[in-house]
Amino acid sequence: QVQLVQSGAEVKKPGSSVKVSCEASGGTLNTYAISWVRQAPGQGLEWMGGIIPIFGTPNYAQKFQARVTITADISTSTAYMELSSLRSEDTAVYYCAKAVTSNRYYYYAMDVWGQGTTVTVSS
Amino acid sequence: QSALTQPASVSGSPGQSITISCTGTSSDVGGYNYVSWSQQHPGKAPKLMIYDVSNRPSGVSNRFSGSKSGNTASLTISGLQAEDEAEYYCSSFTSSSTLVVFGGGTKLTVL
Repeated sequence: QVQLVQSGAEVKKPGSSVKVSCEASGGTLNTYAISWVRQAPGQGLEWMGGIIPIFGTPNYAQKFQARVTITADISTSTAYMELSSLRSEDTAVYYCAKAVTSNRYYYYAMDVWGQGTTVTVSS
Repeated sequence: QSALTQPASVSGSPGQSITISCTGTSSDVGGYNYVSWSQQHPGKAPKLMIYDVSNRPSGVSNRFSGSKSGNTASLTISGLQAEDEAEYYCSSFTSSSTLVVFGGGTKLTVL
């Protein structure tokens, strides 16, 4: 069973960017729909976007369209999420998660999650 | 405000059954059989419990079941156990460009 291993915690200044990685262990993420979901402290889950690595074209939530870039490297089975123009409200735990299939309709069905990456935005 | 509406909290005693609702629109819950439920314990990543309205991933207890009527999906947990105490989130495919919407979460307390 594939596991997803994310990069470590980050502390960033307002206005800067952060890039979080998500590497597959024990398998590949290339043939699944991969989502990025964030959770602000004490808040619920929020879908930011996703990508199906073998197809390469990302999908973004409208709210994040202008600030997020999601990519994937199929040679290393790693997905990335970069969020720019950071503000304090972006302080959250960021998760990557794989869907049960590679179908774009199935971004919503996330059966394997990374451990989460805490991003703190503070001056 | 979340796109899907869930009750903030529900509670039940060990052995009882509870149901959590998730209300959307014809653009998401009502329009497709693409609804999931995830369980999240404090400080942990979510765990998928139900997808495609009523399918359980391998390893998930059959005490968890899902259903849908119109624009409202439901998660039922039977034979409540102490370890079921957690936050539960519904999510759905949506025909908007955003593709995925979540509910605001429901805190389940096992009394």
